[in-house]
Amino acid sequence: SQQGEEDPQALSIQEGENATMNCSYKTSINNLQWYRQNSGRGLVHLILIRSNEREKHSGRLRVTLDTSKKSSSLLITASRAADTASYFCATARSGGSEKLVFGKGMKLTVNP
Amino acid sequence: SAVISQKPSRDICQRGTSLTIQCQVDSQVTMMFWYRQQPGQSLTLIATANQGSEATYESGFVIDKFPISRPNLTFSTLTVSNMSPEDSSIYLCSVGLSYGYTFGSGTRLTVV
Repeated sequence: SQQGEEDPQALSIQEGENATMNCSYKTSINNLQWYRQNSGRGLVHLILIRSNEREKHSGRLRVTLDTSKKSSSLLITASRAADTASYFCATARSGGSEKLVFGKGMKLTVNP
Repeated sequence: SAVISQKPSRDICQRGTSLTIQCQVDSQVTMMFWYRQQPGQSLTLIATANQGSEATYESGFVIDKFPISRPNLTFSTLTVSNMSPEDSSIYLCSVGLSYGYTFGSGTRLTVV
């Protein structure tokens, strides 16, 4: 069953703008991860944030986690056309040895 | 990070037949995960495959329909048996690492 819910489910922006995606989940977690999927291919791991972390950066990506609200956000700054993809949040109750529970996903379109 | 080779990348199969999907990992991992992604949907876990023991299936998935083999710590197969058009999906294998999960490139299955 899906745990994470991404919001919005589709977003269309212009190149150079920032894109923010939100994710909510229902149960306690060990970590939350964000993935990108291009055109129905395999998933690419973007970033992992642990339950005791509040914010994490990786290049143009910024992830926040609010465990009290059971929510996370992914910010992509200075977006590029190549960022066009579907983005998923996924939660795990422990690190590496348990299944991931995925949200519904969000389709981001970055127009050149 | 681990690298997964998944094949076939795509196939078109007749209903009633079976397809076996293979995943080879370039390092030894304890657990491998098999997911299904129906058209336009998120990922749903089919089963967790642990080397040396029977796979653990999620609710809604049964061994007769999705038999899994895990003969060693670097390899696993998923068979989609007695296929129907409803089995048309992308199937992905995954391994978990402490910093995130790595996915195979996916098998796009179309059943006609």
